[in-house]
Amino acid sequence: DVKVTQSSRYLVKRTGEKVFLECVQDMDHENMFWYRQDPGLGLRLIYFSYDVKMKEKGDIPEGYSVSREKKERFSLILESASTNQTSMYLCASSFSGWGTEAFFGQGTRLTVV
Amino acid sequence: AQSVTQLDSHVSVSEGTPVLLRCNYSSSYSPSLFWYVQHPNKGLQLLLKYTSAATLVKGINGFEAEFKKSETSFHLTKPSAHMSDAAEYFCVVRDTRAGTALIFGKGTTLSVSS
Repeated sequence: DVKVTQSSRYLVKRTGEKVFLECVQDMDHENMFWYRQDPGLGLRLIYFSYDVKMKEKGDIPEGYSVSREKKERFSLILESASTNQTSMYLCASSFSGWGTEAFFGQGTRLTVV
Repeated sequence: AQSVTQLDSHVSVSEGTPVLLRCNYSSSYSPSLFWYVQHPNKGLQLLLKYTSAATLVKGINGFEAEFKKSETSFHLTKPSAHMSDAAEYFCVVRDTRAGTALIFGKGTTLSVSS
């Protein structure tokens, strides 16, 4: 079974802190993604990576950065956490080919106080 | 650019009646299309996917979806709802270019009453 593992299920951080969310996949997928999920807004793409050290901005990259130094690991960084970044964060991975679906982690519920 | 519009934010049905969740997509290239389901406090699970082999796609738990290129639609249906189908459903598009991300609709919450 494909496994996408996010390092924390729940996280509470203070405003202004630098926050790291880690994601690891075990299927040798080329693509990895970070989404945030908010009620009524669905999943919005923050960043994705189609190869090691490669990244592309999604729809809402402001206030976030990412790092992919190894194929299996994709990190989301909140440079200076703010209360409007309180959300559920979902990591996913997939192959690059036609019709390939993404596999999702269980999510990290981040609260910024 | 790709986009997905789920036409209903909330659908309510009675157990045993048909389910219809509507989705329209926009894509510059030939897309692949997916439906995912998320039960309360659970992760996202793939229900079915369209990859051009057949326009009517069957998924898990009795769900199916029909790809209609002329209408740019990919509606999800089930003949008879079950209480366990209550969840949030997401329509997703991905075009054929390598390295493109999956774009999600805003979701449809399905409620099933007895």
